[in-house]
Amino acid sequence: EDQVTQSPEALRLQEGESSSLNCSYTVSGLRGLFWYRQDPGKGPEFLFTLYSAGEEKEKERLKATLTKKESFLHITAPKPEDSATYLCAVQPDRGSTLGRLYFGRGTQLTVWP
Amino acid sequence: KAGVTQTPRYLIKTRGQQVTLSCSPISGHRSVSWYQQTPGQGLQFLFEYFSETQRNKGNFPGRFSGRQFSNSRSEMNVSTLELGDSALYLCASSLAEGQLYEQYFGPGTRLTVT
Repeated sequence: EDQVTQSPEALRLQEGESSSLNCSYTVSGLRGLFWYRQDPGKGPEFLFTLYSAGEEKEKERLKATLTKKESFLHITAPKPEDSATYLCAVQPDRGSTLGRLYFGRGTQLTVWP
Repeated sequence: KAGVTQTPRYLIKTRGQQVTLSCSPISGHRSVSWYQQTPGQGLQFLFEYFSETQRNKGNFPGRFSGRQFSNSRSEMNVSTLELGDSALYLCASSLAEGQLYEQYFGPGTRLTVT
């Protein structure tokens, strides 16, 4: 069964304190892994797509990496505006799952000044 | 380019009633997926439409249905509402080129069932 697990569930960081969020996945074959950011009461905002192990992508203070079993979202010198829930999702490599993403439960990040 | 829009943004309904939610995808996107988000279950896939055809369906009862129009706009309908249907309903659109589906989400419709 396709499964996505994110850890930790919640993370509190002081401004400037770097850390990483983890997303581990179990799928029969991976077509793509996605990271989203979600603010309270809003829809998820697309951040990154990763296609294959070893791939890395960066955007401002965020860097996403991918291995065969997990992905990490590294946050360097976070600011309070980075506070949000970060969601990881996978797209399995099966025709029967086209258009369907499997989401983890997310990591709620709070960055305090 | 305008993003995904959803209407209405908020709804309050009574048990037993039915509701229709609307989604307009990003211009040029042909795939529309619907998700239900609750604190207890997270984001759960409802169904996906592509070129007016439902291609994929999640594990929800038949009370949940949807459709897509020729302009790619989509609607979902929930009949005989239950208290447990209270959730944020999210629509996502995708270009659906090749086999990779980067999905872009709308702001959601917050449904409250009393």
